[in-house]
Amino acid sequence: NAGVTQTPKFQVLKTGQSMTLQCAQDMNHEYMSWYRQDPGMGLRLIHYSVGAGITDQGEVPNGYNVSRSTTEDFPLRLLSAAPSQTSVYFCASSYSSPVGTQYFGPGTRLLVL
Amino acid sequence: AQTVTQSQPEMSVQEAETVTLSCTYDTSENNYYLFWYKQPPSRQMILVIRQEAYKQQNATENRFSVNFQKAAKSFSLKISDSQLGDTAMYFCAFMKHVNSNSGYALNFGKGTSLLVTP
Repeated sequence: NAGVTQTPKFQVLKTGQSMTLQCAQDMNHEYMSWYRQDPGMGLRLIHYSVGAGITDQGEVPNGYNVSRSTTEDFPLRLLSAAPSQTSVYFCASSYSSPVGTQYFGPGTRLLVL
Repeated sequence: AQTVTQSQPEMSVQEAETVTLSCTYDTSENNYYLFWYKQPPSRQMILVIRQEAYKQQNATENRFSVNFQKAAKSFSLKISDSQLGDTAMYFCAFMKHVNSNSGYALNFGKGTSLLVTP
């Protein structure tokens, strides 16, 4: 049982490039979400999914897309990277809703030059 | 709008001592959830403790307990018998709805950096 995994651990992008941050969980959790953590701040919700085929926007969705084709995977796509997207990105999952225990992945550190 | 305030950017405590981290929040909702998360140097976010607002009894998890004062909108974390492994950033978080489609978000404070010294 690997829990929540994220790849890559670290990535450097140039402005305008696109990329996908991968997130997978093996706990059969319905609820998955993406957060970003900026220096000196807590996490902010980007997008979330309440189950396969269902996604919705969080607090800071601009510049990001998500999809949920399977229960296990919830990739986050940066369409055209900007320096303001330099951050640490966390994926999280929980059984039915984040009211229950959320399990976080180890994070992806992204640097946009 | 809901906000979470952690007024102590940094704290230090000696091993085996007790320390209390402060958190206040602002909300107009009556039913909500509050959390304390721990983020050690590994950056992994780990749930420490959870409190349901409708429960008057303070939550306890081993050495960790909370003092939940709903009227005062206060949610402090007490760590007893501090251990070196407790050194981490601690985030207080409030759960809120983000839309009508069962969407929830954890609204985090800015964190308190706790250092446990020998």
